[in-house]
Amino acid sequence: DSGVTQTPKHLITATGQRVTLRCSPRSGDLSVYWYQQSLDQGLQFLIQYYNGEERAKGNILERFSAQQFPDLHSELNLSSLELGDSALYFCASSVGPPSLYEQYFGPGTRLTVT
Amino acid sequence: ELKVEQNPLFLSMQEGKNYTIYCNYSTTSDRLYWYRQDPGKSLESLFVLLSNGAVKQEGRLMASLDTKARLSTLHITAAVHDLSATYFCAVDDKEYGNKLVFGAGTILRVKS
Repeated sequence: DSGVTQTPKHLITATGQRVTLRCSPRSGDLSVYWYQQSLDQGLQFLIQYYNGEERAKGNILERFSAQQFPDLHSELNLSSLELGDSALYFCASSVGPPSLYEQYFGPGTRLTVT
Repeated sequence: ELKVEQNPLFLSMQEGKNYTIYCNYSTTSDRLYWYRQDPGKSLESLFVLLSNGAVKQEGRLMASLDTKARLSTLHITAAVHDLSATYFCAVDDKEYGNKLVFGAGTILRVKS
């Protein structure tokens, strides 16, 4: 158990819908990262926050957005869902500035779009 | 853009045998990770390699890093069934806020 929690564990929804995935980092961690794992794209970085501020963006679609709140938890919002958005979404956290510390991964949220 | 290549992508081996998984990356980085993933589960950190020549060992797994060759290896000694999993290497991409760039993963099946 890494100490990173994600909810929900599973999510099944229909195309066109919007969902929110939640992540609570390890106690004391200031950085949060979101990754998507799919069969065709593998593991891909989506976005990164440090102490509430966006620090880096990866291959995140415009339909997706995220934020990190003052209590350091983060949410990933996925809208206008398509079948291809079905994937495992991981959150990771690290203690401090992204350049210095190892990331610890949460259990993931499995999203199925039907 | 940093690219990370792993090979082989699939490895079927007999218990008791040795094998090596290779991880090549395309641009300079001073931090490389190895993770293990069981089906449907999260990523478990195995090794963090921070400098050229770094070697770390845990049980039947040993990882090394050659930053000049941009190559890391994960060596499996006397494989056992419990090692069956998918193994990923990942490299810090400093140009993009230290996001992790992952290899495609190596599916390891150890047959008894």
